[in-house]
Amino acid sequence: KNEVEQSPQNLTAQEGEFITINCSYSVGISALHWLQQHPGGGIVSLFMLSSGKKKHGRLIATINIQEKHSSLHITASHPRDSAVYICAVMEYGNKLVFGAGTILRVKS
Amino acid sequence: DGGITQSPKYLFRKEGQNVTLSCEQNLNHDAMYWYRQDPGQGLRLIYYSQIVNDFQKGDIAEGYSVSREKKESFPLTVTSAQKNPTAFYLCASKDSPNYGYTFGSGTRLTVV
Repeated sequence: KNEVEQSPQNLTAQEGEFITINCSYSVGISALHWLQQHPGGGIVSLFMLSSGKKKHGRLIATINIQEKHSSLHITASHPRDSAVYICAVMEYGNKLVFGAGTILRVKS
Repeated sequence: DGGITQSPKYLFRKEGQNVTLSCEQNLNHDAMYWYRQDPGQGLRLIYYSQIVNDFQKGDIAEGYSVSREKKESFPLTVTSAQKNPTAFYLCASKDSPNYGYTFGSGTRLTVV
């Protein structure tokens, strides 16, 4: 069993829809990252969080440390949001463990 | 603006040849990392360095080598010993423990 599990693996949405991507992990962590990878391959860090909730524009990330679960929400989705979204947990000692990613496609 | 530069973006090599991937950062970060990404899998750690002239093996170091002679540079050599070198390679850096990672744009290596 992978230490970091993401769901769904693939997601197709219509423009304007509210999107949720989930991440569950099995190890103790100091923080969790949500990353975005565009088709060119480069990765952008969206959020780093260790408790509660963070918001940036149309993106919202939440984490429940007790339940070892995090969600990434996208409100009013747009085709430019199409990308791979990756959850990565930072174990104590700063080692990053990555999920396999969620491929999101937003259709206009 | 500060960031990480990986070059080249695409690289083709013949089987049996060593190849070196470049990673340069101007963020003054102490720690640097190399990851490998294969289709359908999460990124996996190849090597990391927390300080100049020091580096440690990650989870999949076999067939790779690195050096850290300067703080801003952490090149990765894919040797002929690496059995399946075709992959996407990502470099990252990190400052203090309380801050997140900065990632490069990656190099896609194809060995033919």
